[in-house]
Amino acid sequence: AQKVTQAQTEISVVEKEDVTLDCVYETRDTTYYLFWYKQPPSGELVFLIRRNSFDEQNEISGRYSWNFQKSTSSFNFTITASQVVDSAVYFCALSEAKNAGNMLTFGGGTRLMVKP
Amino acid sequence: GAVVSQHPSRVICKSGTSVKIECRSLDFQATTMFWYRQFPKQSLMLMATSNEGSKATYEQGVEKDKFLINHASLTLSTLTVTSAHPEDSSFYICSARDQTGGFNQPQHFGDGTRLSIL
Repeated sequence: AQKVTQAQTEISVVEKEDVTLDCVYETRDTTYYLFWYKQPPSGELVFLIRRNSFDEQNEISGRYSWNFQKSTSSFNFTITASQVVDSAVYFCALSEAKNAGNMLTFGGGTRLMVKP
Repeated sequence: GAVVSQHPSRVICKSGTSVKIECRSLDFQATTMFWYRQFPKQSLMLMATSNEGSKATYEQGVEKDKFLINHASLTLSTLTVTSAHPEDSSFYICSARDQTGGFNQPQHFGDGTRLSIL
C-alpha cells in the first residue's frame, strides 16, 4: 500500500527566510510519480511539480527547488527567500504506475505561514 | 493547458437536500475522474474513482448510496450527495487526467466545491 507522510503540520517563518517542507513516501511499486501541490486559502489545488521514480535529478524553478532521494524515500521541497504569498497548505502526493487512472495518495499537508 | 471545471463552487442548503456537483474536463477527454473529500485542516481523501460508461469504484468506508457518481460522457462526471446531513459538510474536489498523453500526464484538479449543510 502506498503512503505519504508530511511530518510538519505547520511551519511559520518570517519573510525572506528559506524553508524546507519534508515529504517521505512508501510504495512497493518501482514505477511511480511524486507531486507537490499548493492549496491557498481559496481552496483550489495548484500543481507545482511532478517527478517520476527514475529521475532523481534535483529541480529548481525560480525560488522553488525539489530534492528527490530514493535512498531515503524522500521528496523535499524548499522555498528560497519566502514571501507572504507563499502562505498556503502544501501537499505532497504519490501515484503508482499500476493505477491506470493515476489516483493520488496525499500526505497530510504542511501549512506554511510566512509573516512579513 | 488542460482545465477541469467544477460547479458549483459553494453550496449551502438544508439537511435532507440532495446536492449535485459537476466535474468537467474542458479541453480533453477523461475516461477516469476522481472525487476527493477534504475536511477542515485535513488532507484530501479519495472517495471514489469515476469510470466513464461503468460503475464507480468506491473507497472503503464511502457509502455508494450516499454519494452517487455518474460518468455519462468522456468529459463529465457528477457526484450527488443524497439526503445530505451536517456531517457531509466538506470540501469536495475532483480531478482528471488527459490520458491521451499516457501515464506521463499529470492530474488536473477542479477548484473544489465547498458544501455546507445546515
